Amino acid sequence: DTEVTQTPKHLVMGMTNKKSLKCEQHMGHRAMYWYKQKAKKPPELMFVYSYEKLSINESVPSRFSPECPNSSLLNLHLHALQPEDSALYLCASSQDGTRFTDTQYFGPGTRLTVL
Amino acid sequence: GNSVTQMEGPVTLSEEAFLTINCTYTATGYPSLFWYVQYPGEGLQLLLKATKADDKGSNKGFEATYRKETTSFHLEKGSVQVSDSAVYFCALADRGSTLGRLYFGRGTQLTVWP
Repeated sequence: DTEVTQTPKHLVMGMTNKKSLKCEQHMGHRAMYWYKQKAKKPPELMFVYSYEKLSINESVPSRFSPECPNSSLLNLHLHALQPEDSALYLCASSQDGTRFTDTQYFGPGTRLTVL
Repeated sequence: GNSVTQMEGPVTLSEEAFLTINCTYTATGYPSLFWYVQYPGEGLQLLLKATKADDKGSNKGFEATYRKETTSFHLEKGSVQVSDSAVYFCALADRGSTLGRLYFGRGTQLTVWP
């Protein structure tokens, strides 16, 4: 099973709302990633967790707050977002991130619209 | 530094035509190379990969060969179908990449007409 699941599939929120995106994998992977993808662009890396520890933060604004409660779950907490944050948010996982030959497996994404 | 250059799209083909999407890379070492495909409204799926020079990745009729001498990883398919319409991303991960960081090309939109 090489599936990464993400919920919700779509999310519409106002600029004052607080919401969360959820990602789950059961492949025993120990590295998990959040990406942001704007239309007609490649994914941009936001955060990387390795063994449940935040290892990379690509200077993402603090209105995005990641959390890795356990090795299978990854959350992205959203607060006070701006309309320009509207995008497809993709989660991915890989074995443990130590081998450059490893494949990253992507989820289907959450389409976020900020009004 | 690391970077990937993909041919500019969109690419429009008739069904059963031959497909080539060019991809060249710059890397500090000998990277692993990937092709991902993104169908409309979906996430990225690994299409194929190659982890060392002269390796050929293949899947679903698509092929790409890791050419160190030309730093290329061009995607080919002999006979495309309407269902191949998607965006294709070439990507690399370098030996020194932190936590398997992927460097993506800009993506190439492929549309196949019946």
